[in-house]
Amino acid sequence: GAGVSQTPSNKVTEKGKYVELRCDPISGHTALYWYRQSLGQGPEFLIYFQGTGAADDSGLPNDRFFAVRPEGSVSTLKIQRTERGDSAVYLCASSLMVNTEAFFGQGTRLTVV
Amino acid sequence: DAKTTQPPSMDCAEGRAANLPCNHSTISGNEYVYWYRQIHSQGPQYIIHGLKNNETNEMASLIITEDRKSSTLILPHATLRDTAVYYCIGNGRDGNKLVFGAGTILRVKS
Repeated sequence: GAGVSQTPSNKVTEKGKYVELRCDPISGHTALYWYRQSLGQGPEFLIYFQGTGAADDSGLPNDRFFAVRPEGSVSTLKIQRTERGDSAVYLCASSLMVNTEAFFGQGTRLTVV
Repeated sequence: DAKTTQPPSMDCAEGRAANLPCNHSTISGNEYVYWYRQIHSQGPQYIIHGLKNNETNEMASLIITEDRKSSTLILPHATLRDTAVYYCIGNGRDGNKLVFGAGTILRVKS
């Protein structure tokens, strides 16, 4: 498909485990964003990539969270030592360039038990 | 990025125009107003954005006041599928970090 693809769509993990969430942006989009959304709240910004580099990672809550985009396309959000409070829907979005409309994926629902 | 204020919820009759207000009194001169919506269990969807002038596309119209302190998103003929949370976002030109608030839950009723 032509949209932003996120895998897996659902992930259940035990407290303390490591997880990786993948985002395939729209082909040719240089900007990529990660958000997380808790029930009943708006999406919360985590990190933004322009190409391969993280242009703004001010939203990452702590050093257990890390994201990479090594070739400027696919991105992986990595969470170490997961906690129950990390349970949320993790959304990825991409845009052609800065300040153009962002297209969101369907999200990965992470549940930490 | 400018802080925006929206009513928590609104109802609209199917087929009627839905007018969703947004206050952004702290918006600066180079910040755009963006509108996104989120239908249940889906990712947010871009609707429209503007700077100073009113804008219209196939989805909606955006009316921005002359002083830019507020705007209104207009869905001209709301359908049941327009039921969603609508987010108004003020966004600067130096980045695309969309800062979402709580949004307005629009319920379109038949």
